Amino acid sequence: DQQVKQNSPSLSVQEGRISILNCDYTNSMFDYFLWYKKYPAEGPTFLISISSIKDKNEDGRFTVFLNKSAKHLSLHIVPSQPGDSAVYFCAAREDNDMRFGAGTRLTVKP
Amino acid sequence: GAGVSQSPRYKVTKRGQDVTLRCDPISSHATLYWYQQALGQGPEFLTYFNYEAQPDKSGLPSDRFSAERPEGSISTLTIQRTEQRDSAMYRCASSSDRSSGNTIYFGEGSWLTVV
Repeated sequence: DQQVKQNSPSLSVQEGRISILNCDYTNSMFDYFLWYKKYPAEGPTFLISISSIKDKNEDGRFTVFLNKSAKHLSLHIVPSQPGDSAVYFCAAREDNDMRFGAGTRLTVKP
Repeated sequence: GAGVSQSPRYKVTKRGQDVTLRCDPISSHATLYWYQQALGQGPEFLTYFNYEAQPDKSGLPSDRFSAERPEGSISTLTIQRTEQRDSAMYRCASSSDRSSGNTIYFGEGSWLTVV
């Protein structure tokens, strides 16, 4: 039962342009959403989060948008840098239960 | 400790053997999670603990899988009678209580290969 879905397994963008990573969920009880970034051979590291009572959260080059009616969230990276190349996981929380998407591999080309 | 520590990092075991993986969470963290991650997939929830209580083990794939956290700190994940399909990365994560923002911090994982 895949409650959190990232339908794009990969994304390639040019350095300096915007990267948009998408995530859909099915459980309306999720109340907190997070994005994690993972480099090869390392564990996922926390990037940015958003509560379900908000529709936008911004931290430097990273902005997360939440559309509750569509059960959709997205991560925007502007401007994209080659060091952003990694796998990005979307996660959603209900109480202490955290569910993750399958990840999107972002490649930022110089 | 400074981060979530898991051991062993790599484990190769023969089919049918039991294996135990260990997780040492961040010392102040009440909540501890276990995830299974196959190659090219996101972490799949197995179970979690609030201190020593285990409110949800719905993600454990079979009764061969069990987890413990007897003193509310270190946790172990045990897989009995391992099968080849158990081969995966097993990730432990921890977080402080729910009111503090809910970021969870992952360990580097334990790679299990069942041959």
